[in-house]
Amino acid sequence: DVQLAESGGGLVQPGGSLRLSCAASGFSLRDSWIQWVRQAPGKGLVWLSRVSGYGDIARFADSVRGRFTVSRDYPKNTLYLQMDSLKAEDTAVYYCGREVATASLCDSWGQGTLVAVSA
Amino acid sequence: IQMTQSPSSLSASLGDRVIITCRASQDIGGDLGWYQQKPGQAPKLLIYSASTLQSGVPSRFSGSGSATDFTLTISSLQAEDFATYFCLQVATYPYTFGQGTKLEIK
Repeated sequence: DVQLAESGGGLVQPGGSLRLSCAASGFSLRDSWIQWVRQAPGKGLVWLSRVSGYGDIARFADSVRGRFTVSRDYPKNTLYLQMDSLKAEDTAVYYCGREVATASLCDSWGQGTLVAVSA
Repeated sequence: IQMTQSPSSLSASLGDRVIITCRASQDIGGDLGWYQQKPGQAPKLLIYSASTLQSGVPSRFSGSGSATDFTLTISSLQAEDFATYFCLQVATYPYTFGQGTKLEIK
């Protein structure tokens, strides 16, 4: 059964850093493209990033490029979203998703993890 | 690419036919998907490649369109369909969502 689980969210001060985890089970991260999206409280979905199975290709939204990076731990089958220089507007629930084989769209998502950036 | 979704909210009754539209600011071919999201839940993929129904999604959902104009149609609203719907273009980086359509019970 394909499952994703985000963790690592919490309260952080502006300018701080946080690392989110996206733990995969039921499939190998090497075989899948992963996307990150976020949703501020009461707002719509915002696309953040897309990462290839081998991690050699990573694309980011303009709003986070240069501040957010991704890395992988293959033995743990876990993807990480490193978030630096956090701003109040980064406050949101963050979701990771696995793409379907036939389109750059995700059919499996984690439950989300909440990041709050506040002094 | 900007995705303009309309309407932003919609009131409808059980059994109604509902149409939600997304317009892209430039040609995206058929590289568009539709998601449904309920409060407190992750999005659920309904349609990919503009018109292909994701496995397990009821056939009352359908998508159409190409280039810049796309529609999501729900042929006969069921109680479980009241949710927020988003389109997402995946033709060009950065990918972009529409602002969402909240579907409410009339």
